[in-house]
Amino acid sequence: DVKVTQSSRYLVKRTGEKVFLECVQDMDHENMFWYRQDPGLGLRLIYFSYDVKMKEKGDIPEGYSVSREKKERFSLILESASTNQTSMYLCASSRTRGESPLHFGNGTRLTVT
Amino acid sequence: RKEVEQDPGPFNVPEGATVAFNCTYSNSASQSFFWYRQDCRKEPKLLMSVYSSGNEDGRFTAQLNRASQYISLLIRDSKLSDSATYLCVVSSGGGADGLTFGKGTHLIIQP
Repeated sequence: DVKVTQSSRYLVKRTGEKVFLECVQDMDHENMFWYRQDPGLGLRLIYFSYDVKMKEKGDIPEGYSVSREKKERFSLILESASTNQTSMYLCASSRTRGESPLHFGNGTRLTVT
Repeated sequence: RKEVEQDPGPFNVPEGATVAFNCTYSNSASQSFFWYRQDCRKEPKLLMSVYSSGNEDGRFTAQLNRASQYISLLIRDSKLSDSATYLCVVSSGGGADGLTFGKGTHLIIQP
């Protein structure tokens, strides 16, 4: 079974702090994704990556950056956290771009105060 | 603009009943289709892929209607544990991430 692991389940940060969300997958998947999920808005794609050191903006990249130094690890960075970034963050990986299903980590619930 | 539409519900269904819901998509070039299940405050988990010929997995049946551009999920003999939100995911197979999520249908199975 594919395992996607997110480093924190719950996180509370202050406005202006730099926040790192880490994600590791163990299935040698090329593709990794970061989503956020908010009530009534569904899942929204922040950034994705198809290869090491490669990144692409999703639908809502503003206020975020990412890093993929190794194939198995994809990090989401909030340079200066704001209260409107309070959300559930979900990392996912997939085998084939755009065709195979996503496998999600168990999510990080971030609260910015 | 690519869109995937689902009735948000909630669908309140007695235990043991059969329930079905649809998901419509606007991009006729879509190639892959999936149903995910998401429990409250948990991550989405793949329930089943949807194949052109339709497919069945136990009490769950998924169908694809390309002409009318919708997929469906049928749950027979519903259990209390089927209560969840069901997300439809459509892939266009290229460009960007090629995946579009519906906002989900909330299902409540009542004893």
